[in-house]
Amino acid sequence: NAGVTQTPKFQVLKTGQSMTLQCAQDMNHNSMYWYRQDPGMGLRLIYYSASEGTTDKGEVPNGYNVSRLNKREFSLRLESAAPSQTSVYFCASSPTSGSANTGELFFGEGSRLTVL
Amino acid sequence: DQQVKQNSPSLSVQEGRISILNCDYTNSMFDYFLWYKKYPAEGPTFLISISSIKDKNEDGRFTVFLNKSAKHLSLHIVPSQPGDSAVYFCAASNFGNEKLTFGTGTRLTIIP
Repeated sequence: NAGVTQTPKFQVLKTGQSMTLQCAQDMNHNSMYWYRQDPGMGLRLIYYSASEGTTDKGEVPNGYNVSRLNKREFSLRLESAAPSQTSVYFCASSPTSGSANTGELFFGEGSRLTVL
Repeated sequence: DQQVKQNSPSLSVQEGRISILNCDYTNSMFDYFLWYKKYPAEGPTFLISISSIKDKNEDGRFTVFLNKSAKHLSLHIVPSQPGDSAVYFCAASNFGNEKLTFGTGTRLTIIP
């Protein structure tokens, strides 16, 4: 029972480099999310996808792009990494969406990204 | 503008005693509240939730209380156990809204 799987778990980038964080869930969930966690800031929503083919901005979308490749996969791309994007990134999924969404999310283990 | 606030970054409690974690919110549109627990190097896991039509929800050792007039909720853990040592995040949303707003977290340490 894998749940939500994120890759890579650790990554070091130089300023200006690009990279994609991959996320896959095997629970047939409709909604998927990307959060970042920073000290003293809690978890902040970057982007989310209520269903395959749809994506929407969260609280801190600048500098990121996302792709909902299919129902299972939701990737987060940094086109030109900046030191301010050093963070721990969490992917999450939810079995419900829209008016049925209860906010009960299932999280991956996180991806720690350092931008030098 | 922090809409969900956890003013205590850390809390230490003796094993067997009650742990009380607090959370305040400013957005009166929030109508659904959740608590998540996070161990180091793991993702957060859902613990318990409450909707604004209730003022209390219980699940085993965990009880969440909601005071809508004060815009305050609390999580009670009794009795506290060493495995409860973790970071606890409070979160809030409008029911049916995809966006969940998290607090900054409280690190709970249970002392054996």
